[in-house]
Amino acid sequence: GAVVSQHPSWVICKSGTSVKIECRSLDFQATTMFWYRQFPKQSLMLMATSNEGSKATYEQGVEKDKFLINHASLTLSTLTVTSAHPEDSSFYICSADIRYGYTFGSGTRLTVV
Amino acid sequence: TQLLEQSPQFLSIQEGENLTVYCNSSSVFSSLQWYRQEPGEGPVLLVTVVTGGEVKKLKRLTFQFGDARKDSSLHITAAQPGDTGLYLCAGEASQGAQKLVFGQGTRLTINP
Repeated sequence: GAVVSQHPSWVICKSGTSVKIECRSLDFQATTMFWYRQFPKQSLMLMATSNEGSKATYEQGVEKDKFLINHASLTLSTLTVTSAHPEDSSFYICSADIRYGYTFGSGTRLTVV
Repeated sequence: TQLLEQSPQFLSIQEGENLTVYCNSSSVFSSLQWYRQEPGEGPVLLVTVVTGGEVKKLKRLTFQFGDARKDSSLHITAAQPGDTGLYLCAGEASQGAQKLVFGQGTRLTINP
């Protein structure tokens, strides 16, 4: 089946530093990938849609300069949380459309201390 | 903004009981999907329904899409402890939109 590999699974960083999260489609090409954020005991909130070879589309209220998205190839999308702060601590998940639904990465637990 | 209201948000029942989770909206969706998410992992797709009135079965799980494509339900028969998890409904606004709207989720606990 279509698999999206997400790394790292968890990361702890100091406030003010940047963190990069990678999502790779392993056995298919993903023109579009989606980035979600999930706070504890809450549902998934779409942050942005990344498009291969073009600029990402951000949802209302999501700072594009803080959450940098790069989709340089058909199998790799990255999300960089710049100048991270404790309030950015969350569970970040990527996904890709697989025609009959969506396949999700395993998520990245980001803790900013 | 399209919203999906999922209920109940929490449900704790005994093994062997039946349960139904609801997902409602005032908006029409081209498709509706149900996912299950384990702690610390991404959601896993259970089923996609696309036709109004459609019913799909997955072992003890029955999924239904409303006739007007505004609501859906998940019914579990004879629940087992292995069914414990977070169940999420998600709607795709229009064909090709590639944008999922998630419900709040139902945290289901099945007690042995």
